[in-house]
Amino acid sequence: GNSVTQMEGPVTLSEEAFLTINCTYTATGYPSLFWYVQYPGEGLQLLLKATKADDKGSNKGFEATYRKETTSFHLEKGSVQVSDSAVYFCALISYSSASKIIFGSGTRLSIRP
Amino acid sequence: GAGVSQSPSNKVTEKGKDVELRCDPISGHTALYWYRQSLGQGLEFLIYFQGNSAPDKSGLPSDRFSAERTGGSVSTLTIQRTQQEDSAVYLCASSLLDFQETQYFGPGTRLLVL
Repeated sequence: GNSVTQMEGPVTLSEEAFLTINCTYTATGYPSLFWYVQYPGEGLQLLLKATKADDKGSNKGFEATYRKETTSFHLEKGSVQVSDSAVYFCALISYSSASKIIFGSGTRLSIRP
Repeated sequence: GAGVSQSPSNKVTEKGKDVELRCDPISGHTALYWYRQSLGQGLEFLIYFQGNSAPDKSGLPSDRFSAERTGGSVSTLTIQRTQQEDSAVYLCASSLLDFQETQYFGPGTRLLVL
């Protein structure tokens, strides 16, 4: 079945540091890949997505590229801010499997001023 | 416009009791989803509705869990004979057409089973 493996947290960085949160997946067919974010005290919201291989999703300075050859969708940001402190979830959604909607376990990110 | 709303926001119940959790999706959204987020765990998919039908019930953890959606809008998740391991935050989301689209999440219902 489908699965998502996400970098375990918590991750603590200083402001302006480079961020990578790893996400790899196992899926049949051609899934769409998503990053969702949950800021403190708020609900989950979409950060970015990519629906086919080699697509790059981007939003708020974050980027992730859908790499079919490495089955990865790593989240990156060149210079993090305190306001990026949140929990980040990688997700896979596929039409072609019974396990259609899979979320990773989440990575808590804390940014020090 | 209004987002996804859920009620109650918090629910404390005794082991063995039944509970009902409600979700009001964004108006016009065809697809509706229920997830469970346990302490220290990721999001666990429970069930997905397309209109009033549920093509994917694969995530329901046991036959104590059921969900329905009427009128293509409001959905209710029912947990019968609650157990302590049912304690979690139950999240509802909706999307415009189907599960390939952006999901908009509600604030969740925090359930505590004593």
